[in-house]
Amino acid sequence: KAGVTQTPRYLIKTRGQQVTLSCSPISGHRSVSWYQQTPGQGLQFLFEYFSETQRNKGNFPGRFSGRQFSNSRSEMNVSTLELGDSALYLCASSLSGWETQYFGPGTRLLVL
Amino acid sequence: KNEVEQSPQNLTAQEGEFITINCSYSVGISALHWLQQHPGGGIVSLFMLSSGKKKHGRLIATINIQEKHSSLHITASHPRDSAVYICAVRSGTGNQFYFGTGTSLTVIP
Repeated sequence: KAGVTQTPRYLIKTRGQQVTLSCSPISGHRSVSWYQQTPGQGLQFLFEYFSETQRNKGNFPGRFSGRQFSNSRSEMNVSTLELGDSALYLCASSLSGWETQYFGPGTRLLVL
Repeated sequence: KNEVEQSPQNLTAQEGEFITINCSYSVGISALHWLQQHPGGGIVSLFMLSSGKKKHGRLIATINIQEKHSSLHITASHPRDSAVYICAVRSGTGNQFYFGTGTSLTVIP
């Protein structure tokens, strides 16, 4: 089975722009979670989607949003980028959200 | 206040040593995860626990729900075990994920 894939792997944006990141889960997995990792804050939970519905949300501003499609692929969007949004964005998938999570390689976002 | 605390933050061991990493949490949980992150960012889930003990090869994870504490043990450590080990919990209410700051392990040949 193919693993979790994320695109793009690297991205450079400037302040004020918006960005969309994509995550393709393992086939058959219906839960996709998104995480932000920074040197200062470590790993933080952004949100979880299951069957096209946002099931849980972390403590992030409304500039961070996401969605999930009928094939379980998920996208996250960050609008009005700030320098502090520079981070590694990871997604993880699991069958229903209550099992072992499988992580993608991440998208490294740099905001200038 | 951090919901998940890990210790130690950094650990250096000689090859073959027995290693223990500790995790304490302050929220009610539905599950606890141990993650391994190698340089470059890739994360692998090692264990998911809700009670008792699990073993996979040289890795053992235990959890004490009453004491809100978990340990990850590595027996006969090897240089390829060098990585950051992260403890994460899924809260029982609100289904939030909380992460420890990680333990950076270096195993010297």
